[in-house]
Amino acid sequence: DAKTTQPTSMDCAEGRAANLPCNHSTISGNEYVYWYRQIHSQGPQYIIHGLKNNETNEMASLIITEDRKSSTLILPHATLRDTAVYYCIVRASGGGADGLTFGKGTHLIIQP
Amino acid sequence: EPEVTQTPSHQVTQMGQEVILRCVPISNHLYFYWYRQILGQKVEFLVSFYNNEISEKSEIFDDQFSVERPDGSNFTLKIRSTKLEDSAMYFCASSIRDRVPSYTFGSGTRLTVV
Repeated sequence: DAKTTQPTSMDCAEGRAANLPCNHSTISGNEYVYWYRQIHSQGPQYIIHGLKNNETNEMASLIITEDRKSSTLILPHATLRDTAVYYCIVRASGGGADGLTFGKGTHLIIQP
Repeated sequence: EPEVTQTPSHQVTQMGQEVILRCVPISNHLYFYWYRQILGQKVEFLVSFYNNEISEKSEIFDDQFSVERPDGSNFTLKIRSTKLEDSAMYFCASSIRDRVPSYTFGSGTRLTVV
Protein backbone atom coordinates (compact mmCIF):
# COMPACT_ATOMS: atom_id res chain seq x y z
CA ASP A 1 0.00 0.00 0.00
CA ALA A 2 1.22 3.49 -0.80
CA LYS A 3 2.41 5.69 2.05
CA THR A 4 0.40 8.74 3.08
CA THR A 5 1.45 11.98 4.76
CA GLN A 6 -0.93 14.06 6.86
CA PRO A 7 -0.47 17.03 9.16
CA THR A 8 -0.29 16.02 12.80
CA SER A 9 -3.03 18.39 13.92
CA MET A 10 -5.40 21.07 12.69
CA ASP A 11 -7.89 23.48 14.19
CA CYS A 12 -11.16 24.60 12.67
CA ALA A 13 -13.90 26.88 13.92
CA GLU A 14 -17.29 25.37 14.52
CA GLY A 15 -19.61 25.91 11.54
CA ARG A 16 -16.77 26.40 9.10
CA ALA A 17 -15.55 23.92 6.51
CA ALA A 18 -12.71 21.69 7.68
CA ASN A 19 -10.27 20.81 4.92
CA LEU A 20 -7.93 17.93 5.73
CA PRO A 21 -5.08 17.33 3.28
CA CYS A 22 -3.34 14.08 2.50
CA ASN A 23 -0.33 13.42 0.29
CA HIS A 24 0.01 10.04 -1.40
CA SER A 25 2.55 10.70 -4.13
CA THR A 26 3.40 7.01 -4.68
CA ILE A 27 -0.20 5.92 -5.22
CA SER A 28 -0.64 3.40 -8.01
CA GLY A 29 -3.45 3.05 -10.50
CA ASN A 30 -5.50 0.46 -8.65
CA GLU A 31 -5.27 2.06 -5.21
CA TYR A 32 -8.19 3.80 -3.62
CA VAL A 33 -8.07 6.62 -1.10
CA TYR A 34 -10.02 5.90 2.08
CA TRP A 35 -10.80 8.21 4.96
CA TYR A 36 -11.66 7.01 8.41
CA ARG A 37 -11.91 8.86 11.69
CA GLN A 38 -11.59 7.86 15.32
CA ILE A 39 -13.41 9.79 17.99
CA HIS A 40 -11.72 9.51 21.38
CA SER A 41 -10.69 5.82 21.41
CA GLN A 42 -13.91 4.60 19.84
CA GLY A 43 -13.64 2.25 16.89
CA PRO A 44 -12.58 3.85 13.61
CA GLN A 45 -15.49 5.07 11.51
CA TYR A 46 -15.55 4.88 7.73
CA ILE A 47 -16.15 8.27 6.11
CA ILE A 48 -15.64 8.08 2.38
CA HIS A 49 -13.45 6.61 -0.34
CA GLY A 50 -12.58 7.35 -3.95
CA LEU A 51 -10.43 6.31 -6.87
CA LYS A 52 -10.04 9.35 -9.11
CA ASN A 53 -13.33 11.21 -9.23
CA ASN A 54 -14.46 13.54 -6.51
CA GLU A 55 -16.92 11.93 -4.16
CA THR A 56 -19.58 13.26 -1.79
CA ASN A 57 -21.77 11.59 0.78
CA GLU A 58 -23.78 12.70 3.77
CA MET A 59 -20.68 13.03 5.91
CA ALA A 60 -18.06 14.63 3.70
CA SER A 61 -16.60 15.35 0.30
CA LEU A 62 -13.39 13.91 -1.09
CA ILE A 63 -11.42 15.88 -3.63
CA ILE A 64 -8.66 13.96 -5.43
CA THR A 65 -6.18 15.84 -7.60
CA GLU A 66 -5.97 14.94 -11.26
CA ASP A 67 -2.56 13.29 -10.81
CA ARG A 68 -3.97 11.45 -7.75
CA LYS A 69 -0.92 12.35 -5.68
CA SER A 70 -2.95 14.16 -3.05
CA SER A 71 -6.47 14.51 -1.77
CA THR A 72 -8.54 16.66 0.58
CA LEU A 73 -11.32 15.58 2.86
CA ILE A 74 -13.88 18.33 3.38
CA LEU A 75 -16.30 18.44 6.29
CA PRO A 76 -18.58 21.20 5.05
CA HIS A 77 -19.96 22.50 8.36
CA ALA A 78 -17.81 21.22 11.18
CA THR A 79 -19.39 20.64 14.59
CA LEU A 80 -17.79 19.95 17.95
CA ARG A 81 -18.60 16.26 17.45
CA ASP A 82 -16.27 16.20 14.45
CA THR A 83 -13.27 16.54 16.77
CA ALA A 84 -11.39 13.31 16.07
CA VAL A 85 -8.29 11.79 14.53
CA TYR A 86 -8.74 11.52 10.75
CA TYR A 87 -6.87 8.82 8.84
CA CYS A 88 -6.12 8.89 5.14
CA ILE A 89 -5.40 5.35 3.91
CA VAL A 90 -4.43 4.22 0.45
CA ARG A 91 -5.24 0.67 -0.45
CA ALA A 92 -5.60 -1.47 -3.54
CA SER A 93 -9.03 -2.79 -4.37
CA GLY A 94 -9.55 -6.43 -3.66
CA GLY A 95 -11.75 -9.01 -2.08
CA GLY A 96 -11.59 -7.53 1.39
CA ALA A 97 -9.12 -9.90 3.01
CA ASP A 98 -6.43 -7.31 3.50
CA GLY A 99 -6.23 -5.30 6.65
CA LEU A 100 -6.06 -1.54 6.70
CA THR A 101 -2.78 0.15 7.60
CA PHE A 102 -3.47 3.12 9.85
CA GLY A 103 -0.95 5.89 10.23
CA LYS A 104 -0.94 8.55 12.90
CA GLY A 105 -3.59 10.63 11.17
CA THR A 106 -4.56 14.26 11.69
CA HIS A 107 -6.00 15.30 15.02
CA LEU A 108 -8.75 17.74 14.04
CA ILE A 109 -9.93 19.99 16.83
CA ILE A 110 -13.12 21.93 16.27
CA GLN A 111 -13.11 25.15 18.29
CA PRO A 112 -16.37 26.63 19.58
CA GLU B 1 -27.89 1.38 11.08
CA PRO B 2 -26.30 -2.09 11.52
CA GLU B 3 -23.56 -2.28 14.13
CA VAL B 4 -20.66 -4.49 15.08
CA THR B 5 -21.12 -5.39 18.74
CA GLN B 6 -18.23 -6.19 21.06
CA THR B 7 -18.33 -7.63 24.56
CA PRO B 8 -17.18 -6.97 27.18
CA SER B 9 -16.41 -3.27 26.90
CA HIS B 10 -13.68 -3.63 29.51
CA GLN B 11 -11.86 -6.75 30.69
CA VAL B 12 -9.28 -6.98 33.42
CA THR B 13 -7.24 -10.15 33.58
CA GLN B 14 -4.17 -11.42 35.37
CA MET B 15 -0.97 -12.00 33.49
CA GLY B 16 -0.79 -15.57 32.19
CA GLN B 17 -4.56 -16.03 32.06
CA GLU B 18 -6.50 -16.83 28.91
CA VAL B 19 -8.97 -14.25 27.67
CA ILE B 20 -11.65 -14.40 24.99
CA LEU B 21 -12.93 -11.26 23.36
CA ARG B 22 -16.25 -11.51 21.60
CA CYS B 23 -17.72 -9.80 18.59
CA VAL B 24 -20.97 -10.02 16.67
CA PRO B 25 -20.32 -8.77 13.13
CA ILE B 26 -22.98 -7.34 10.86
CA SER B 27 -25.15 -10.21 9.74
CA ASN B 28 -24.61 -10.11 5.98
CA HIS B 29 -20.89 -9.36 6.18
CA LEU B 30 -18.45 -12.03 5.10
CA TYR B 31 -15.03 -10.71 6.18
CA PHE B 32 -14.08 -10.30 9.82
CA TYR B 33 -11.10 -8.61 11.39
CA TRP B 34 -9.38 -7.87 14.65
CA TYR B 35 -7.31 -4.79 15.27
CA ARG B 36 -5.67 -3.50 18.40
CA GLN B 37 -4.60 -0.10 19.63
CA ILE B 38 -2.16 0.26 22.47
CA LEU B 39 -2.83 3.47 24.41
CA GLY B 40 -1.50 6.46 22.50
CA GLN B 41 -0.38 4.42 19.51
CA LYS B 42 -1.66 3.55 16.06
CA VAL B 43 -4.47 1.17 15.24
CA GLU B 44 -2.76 -2.08 14.20
CA PHE B 45 -4.13 -4.88 12.06
CA LEU B 46 -4.05 -8.33 13.68
CA VAL B 47 -5.96 -10.77 11.50
CA SER B 48 -8.62 -11.18 8.85
CA PHE B 49 -10.98 -14.12 8.58
CA TYR B 50 -13.07 -15.29 5.65
CA ASN B 51 -14.89 -18.49 4.84
CA ASN B 52 -14.00 -19.98 8.22
CA GLU B 53 -10.29 -19.54 7.91
CA ILE B 54 -7.63 -16.91 8.45
CA SER B 55 -7.00 -14.91 5.28
CA GLU B 56 -4.16 -12.72 6.47
CA LYS B 57 -2.38 -12.08 9.74
CA SER B 58 0.20 -9.61 10.92
CA GLU B 59 3.43 -10.29 12.78
CA ILE B 60 1.67 -9.37 16.00
CA PHE B 61 -0.70 -12.31 15.61
CA ASP B 62 1.58 -15.02 16.96
CA ASP B 63 0.81 -18.43 18.44
CA GLN B 64 -0.69 -16.84 21.54
CA PHE B 65 -3.59 -15.56 19.46
CA SER B 66 -6.37 -17.49 17.79
CA VAL B 67 -9.68 -16.61 16.18
CA GLU B 68 -12.83 -18.57 15.79
CA ARG B 69 -16.32 -18.25 14.42
CA PRO B 70 -18.03 -20.79 16.67
CA ASP B 71 -21.51 -20.23 15.27
CA GLY B 72 -23.24 -18.16 12.62
CA SER B 73 -23.04 -14.91 14.52
CA ASN B 74 -20.06 -14.68 16.89
CA PHE B 75 -16.42 -14.03 16.06
CA THR B 76 -13.92 -14.41 18.88
CA LEU B 77 -10.32 -13.53 19.59
CA LYS B 78 -8.53 -15.67 22.15
CA ILE B 79 -5.28 -14.76 23.82
CA ARG B 80 -3.89 -17.90 25.43
CA SER B 81 -1.53 -16.56 28.04
CA THR B 82 -1.83 -12.82 28.42
CA LYS B 83 1.17 -10.57 28.89
CA LEU B 84 1.31 -7.05 30.25
CA GLU B 85 2.00 -5.76 26.73
CA ASP B 86 -1.30 -7.21 25.50
CA SER B 87 -3.06 -4.39 27.34
CA ALA B 88 -4.81 -2.44 24.59
CA MET B 89 -8.11 -1.64 22.95
CA TYR B 90 -9.17 -4.47 20.67
CA PHE B 91 -11.46 -3.62 17.81
CA CYS B 92 -13.47 -6.05 15.77
CA ALA B 93 -14.52 -5.08 12.25
CA SER B 94 -16.49 -6.64 9.43
CA SER B 95 -17.04 -5.95 5.76
CA ILE B 96 -19.27 -7.22 3.02
CA ARG B 97 -17.54 -8.83 0.09
CA ASP B 98 -17.21 -6.03 -2.38
CA ARG B 99 -14.68 -4.73 -4.82
CA VAL B 100 -14.03 -1.78 -2.58
CA PRO B 101 -14.92 -2.78 0.95
CA SER B 102 -15.74 -0.29 3.66
CA TYR B 103 -15.22 -1.67 7.09
CA THR B 104 -17.51 -1.27 10.06
CA PHE B 105 -15.72 -1.29 13.39
CA GLY B 106 -17.10 -2.12 16.79
CA SER B 107 -16.64 0.16 19.77
CA GLY B 108 -13.87 -1.99 21.17
CA THR B 109 -12.91 -3.99 24.24
CA ARG B 110 -10.40 -2.42 26.57
CA LEU B 111 -8.16 -5.24 27.84
CA THR B 112 -6.09 -4.53 30.92
CA VAL B 113 -3.55 -7.15 31.95
CA VAL B 114 -2.34 -6.79 35.54
